[in-house]
Amino acid sequence: NAGVTQTPKFQVLKTGQSMTLQCAQDMNHNSMYWYRQDPGMGLRLIYYSASEGTTDKGEVPNGYNVSRLNKREFSLRLESAAPSQTSVYFCASRPGTGDYGYTFGSGTRLTVV
Amino acid sequence: GEDVEQSLFLSVREGDSSVINCTYTDSSSTYLYWYKQEPGAGLQLLTYIFSNMDMKQDQRLTVLLNKKDKHLSLRIADTQTGDSAIYFCAVVAFFSGGYNKLIFGAGTRLAVHP
Repeated sequence: NAGVTQTPKFQVLKTGQSMTLQCAQDMNHNSMYWYRQDPGMGLRLIYYSASEGTTDKGEVPNGYNVSRLNKREFSLRLESAAPSQTSVYFCASRPGTGDYGYTFGSGTRLTVV
Repeated sequence: GEDVEQSLFLSVREGDSSVINCTYTDSSSTYLYWYKQEPGAGLQLLTYIFSNMDMKQDQRLTVLLNKKDKHLSLRIADTQTGDSAIYFCAVVAFFSGGYNKLIFGAGTRLAVHP
């Protein structure tokens, strides 16, 4: 099925460990986004990529890095995980032109102990 | 910056109507969205309204937009237990270079009881 695929779905890390969250879309969308969701705070934008080859910081970029590997893939890396990064992470994409709703992945639930 | 506010909880009886409210600060958003999130799942686009419209109806869903008051609402008629979920209001914020991003409210948890 067409859409946004995120891996892994669940992950437990120890403080200081690193990991990369993967995201891929097969809808030929230009723009891709990484959000984190915390209780009572809605979704906050971490990083986004308006088009292939570009990335920009969102509201809460500290502690994260991203790579737009190609048009399909946009990965999020935690270099040294901290308990404050315990959250649910969502990747999203949109065509890039016009004001159309985003398509979201099913999320990665990350716990840092 | 853009701010979007929603009440956090709503409880309704099955068969009644639900009304979820949202207020926002930036009036430049051309589209305003409602997303639904079921437990353990991602966000699903439920409906949207273009900013030059006052109302949009889609089966059991009615979206009302009051641009003067910067108020958006989602009405669900004949609410069912399957409607229990978190509902997010989202508006578009624009940046230099023509880029934009969605700003989300904190989400309203709708609980439907018999």
